[in-house]
Amino acid sequence: AQSVTQLDSQVPVFEEAPVELRCNYSSSVSVYLFWYVQYPNQGLQLLLKYLSGSTLVKGINGFEAEFNKSQTSFHLRKPSVHISDTAEYFCAVSSRNTGNQFYFGTGTSLTVIP
Amino acid sequence: DAMVIQNPRYQVTQFGKPVTLSCSQTLNHNVMYWYQQKSSQAPKLLFHYYDKDFNNEADTPDNFQSRRPNTSFCFLDIRSPGLGDAAMYLCATSRAEVGSYEQYFGPGTRLTVT
Repeated sequence: AQSVTQLDSQVPVFEEAPVELRCNYSSSVSVYLFWYVQYPNQGLQLLLKYLSGSTLVKGINGFEAEFNKSQTSFHLRKPSVHISDTAEYFCAVSSRNTGNQFYFGTGTSLTVIP
Repeated sequence: DAMVIQNPRYQVTQFGKPVTLSCSQTLNHNVMYWYQQKSSQAPKLLFHYYDKDFNNEADTPDNFQSRRPNTSFCFLDIRSPGLGDAAMYLCATSRAEVGSYEQYFGPGTRLTVT
């Protein structure tokens, strides 16, 4: 089974500063990687995904992530955060071996400080 | 817009009183999932349907049951809710095709047990 580690449970950052949320996964072939955002009392919304191809993936709301196979990482970045980015962020992994099953990280709570 | 709908958004039930949560989708996806998410935790998969085939996670309590009468609808039944079952319940869907591993989430139902 896959495992996903989000190293930072809470990340405070000032408005307009850059941010990186870290995600590492256990090694496997043909992984598919996702970042979801969850606002309070809402479901999960897909930010971006890596299935294959270019290792730099751009998503919604100005977020991007880079797939690094050698370091088994998929860190999420944004060059300038807004107050509205305050939310919980989940990294998730699936693979051909696991079919449709997702393995979620424990989440990172991003707080943007005015 | 195609979407995943969950009703109700907030549900209060009494200890031991059966409760049913519902999920519907207009995406025509053949896989539907139920997750339980407790405060500040990652979603935990309870079970999923691949078409009509029911797949229960090994650690899902017997107290939790599910029904999928057709492609569009899926229900989560909690036969005798305990205080520990208070959580957000998320429904998700996906297509079981190679290259389509993204899951689409509904807004969730927050269950309170009194």
